[in-house]
Amino acid sequence: DAKTTQPNSMESNEEEPVHLPCNHSTISGTDYIHWYRQLPSQGPEYVIHGLTSNVNNRMASLAIAEDRKSSTLILHRATLRDAAVYYCILRPKSSGDKLTFGTGTRLAVRP
Amino acid sequence: DAGVTQSPTHLIKTRGQQVTLRCSPISGHKSVSWYQQVLGQGPQFIFQYYEKEERGRGNFPDRFSARQFPNYSSELNVNALLLGDSALYLCASSLFYTGGTTYNEQFFGPGTRLTVL
Repeated sequence: DAKTTQPNSMESNEEEPVHLPCNHSTISGTDYIHWYRQLPSQGPEYVIHGLTSNVNNRMASLAIAEDRKSSTLILHRATLRDAAVYYCILRPKSSGDKLTFGTGTRLAVRP
Repeated sequence: DAGVTQSPTHLIKTRGQQVTLRCSPISGHKSVSWYQQVLGQGPQFIFQYYEKEERGRGNFPDRFSARQFPNYSSELNVNALLLGDSALYLCASSLFYTGGTTYNEQFFGPGTRLTVL
């Protein structure tokens, strides 16, 4: 399976935008890019996913590079509740529904 | 609506013992997956069940087994516990099984914290 690389940790100020990067240089053409986050003492929760085009939903935006070798999760206005570990996950079509998590990026939000 | 529920919340066992963890999926969801999360790591896939059949298995020893019941709830069993089995065990439910052909959001429960002494 293709691997993802994320910074171990990032910090942001409340109400400012946050850009969380993910490198996936060995991505294949049919790999979906998923983002999940895990709040303290909770299970992971879905944030967003995409294949080739940029995606927006109520929680975040996903910007995918033209060559698909990297992507960026954008939180438009960070709140204290957004403090979590953010996982960038590649899901190959052949892997079924399973998600292969890395160690993620721990985001701290300063008030 | 209730989310994914897991029981018990916490559990302490000793080496060599056996443990059973339980999961109730979101109403209407027919697929359940199990993940193990060791402290400081991301969750690792153990099993997926759909319509009572195993649809995927991760790289875990045969000491780990699971089953799904007609009401779509699931149990994860771990035999001959080792210290290294200490972890947060997460259950995730989804509407169906796609085989990866399309998107199928996974909804995670809060997990069961297992400590093996």
